[in-house]
Amino acid sequence: DTEVTQTPKHLVMGMTNKKSLKCEQHMGHRAMYWYKQKAKKPPELMFVYSYEKLSINESVPSRFSPECPNSSLLNLHLHALQPEDSALYLCASSHPLAGAYEQYFGPGTRLTVT
Amino acid sequence: GNSVTQMEGPVTLSEEAFLTINCTYTATGYPSLFWYVQYPGEGLQLLLKATKADDKGSNKGFEATYRKETTSFHLEKGSVQVSDSAVYFCALRNTGNQFYFGTGTSLTVIP
Repeated sequence: DTEVTQTPKHLVMGMTNKKSLKCEQHMGHRAMYWYKQKAKKPPELMFVYSYEKLSINESVPSRFSPECPNSSLLNLHLHALQPEDSALYLCASSHPLAGAYEQYFGPGTRLTVT
Repeated sequence: GNSVTQMEGPVTLSEEAFLTINCTYTATGYPSLFWYVQYPGEGLQLLLKATKADDKGSNKGFEATYRKETTSFHLEKGSVQVSDSAVYFCALRNTGNQFYFGTGTSLTVIP
């Protein structure tokens, strides 16, 4: 099983809402990632978890709050977002600290902030 | 530092034409190199990879060779199909967990 799943597929939320994005993988990968992707742009790294600990935070605003409850799950909690946060949010996983290994991506959550 | 430079798009080709998308990189040590493809409305999928110098990655008719002397990993396909229309990203991974992506090249293949 080389699949990364993400829910929901689409999300529309107001600026005062609280919502969460979910990501799951069962490949035994101990590195998990959140990316933000705008149209026609490369993925922009937000957070990296390694062995369930936050190892990289790319100066992301606090209205985005990641959580890694176990080695298979990754959440992204959203609160008080801005319209410019509308984007495709991608989750990915990989073997940690092993340069030869690729990332596996989920299909993404298309987020619209109104 | 680590970075990837990818040829600008968009690229438009006729079906059965030859494809080259250029990718060069900057990295210390011996990074692994990847090509990912993204179809509309989807996440990124690994297309091929190479983990050391002179390795050739190949998949679905696409090929790329890891050239350390020119720090390049150009993507090629001999005969493109309409179904190859997508955005292609070159990426590298060095030591650690971080991946570095190029800006992406949009390919449209017309019948």
